[in-house]
Amino acid sequence: DAKTTQPTSMDCAEGRAANLPCNHSTISGNEYVYWYRQIHSQGPQYIIHGLKNNETNEMASLIITEDRKSSTLILPHATLRDTAVYYCIVRAPNTGNQFYFGTGTSLTVIP
Amino acid sequence: DAGVTQSPTHLIKTRGQQVTLRCSPKSGHDTVSWYQQALGQGPQFIFQYYEEEERQRGNFPDRFSGHQFPNYSSELNVNALLLGDSALYLCASSLRSSTDTQYFGPGTRLTVL
Repeated sequence: DAKTTQPTSMDCAEGRAANLPCNHSTISGNEYVYWYRQIHSQGPQYIIHGLKNNETNEMASLIITEDRKSSTLILPHATLRDTAVYYCIVRAPNTGNQFYFGTGTSLTVIP
Repeated sequence: DAGVTQSPTHLIKTRGQQVTLRCSPKSGHDTVSWYQQALGQGPQFIFQYYEEEERQRGNFPDRFSGHQFPNYSSELNVNALLLGDSALYLCASSLRSSTDTQYFGPGTRLTVL
């Protein structure tokens, strides 16, 4: 029932930008793209979400392709505290539909 | 502004017992969802409560039940505990009328011996 595909793991050097890709080729017109991350044994932390325009907040930027079939989460200056599992989720809001987390991408920031 | 809170933090039970976990949503939120996360896996959706009713349910047996109170807080009950119920139980709250972004609590770690 997975709607997204993410690489299993990625490494990033501290201070460099971390670019995490996500494929969602079957996304529907009313589905948003949400990103969460989970640091070991903690609850998932909301990062950012978007529908079709690129979005930026204090944590990250979200780039969504024009056809909306893929997106990239960008952490502009990765720190060791960004080491976590990152989940890309597509979901239509206010439908009661669940967030399907999948297995996510395990990002390791290397000193 | 308090975020989502859950209690207790940790819990140890034995097989066959019953357990109740509690969740207080983020201020202003009216919807609560519960997830189970086994070790090494992503969170799995259990059910969602809105207006004190179960609105959607994932693939979990009837041993898992819940309740939402008028103040929007929620409980998750698990009966006849099995060893396989050992997991991190996560509560997430959201506001139904918005983009419905879910905010998660820190979780309750349940160990069944």
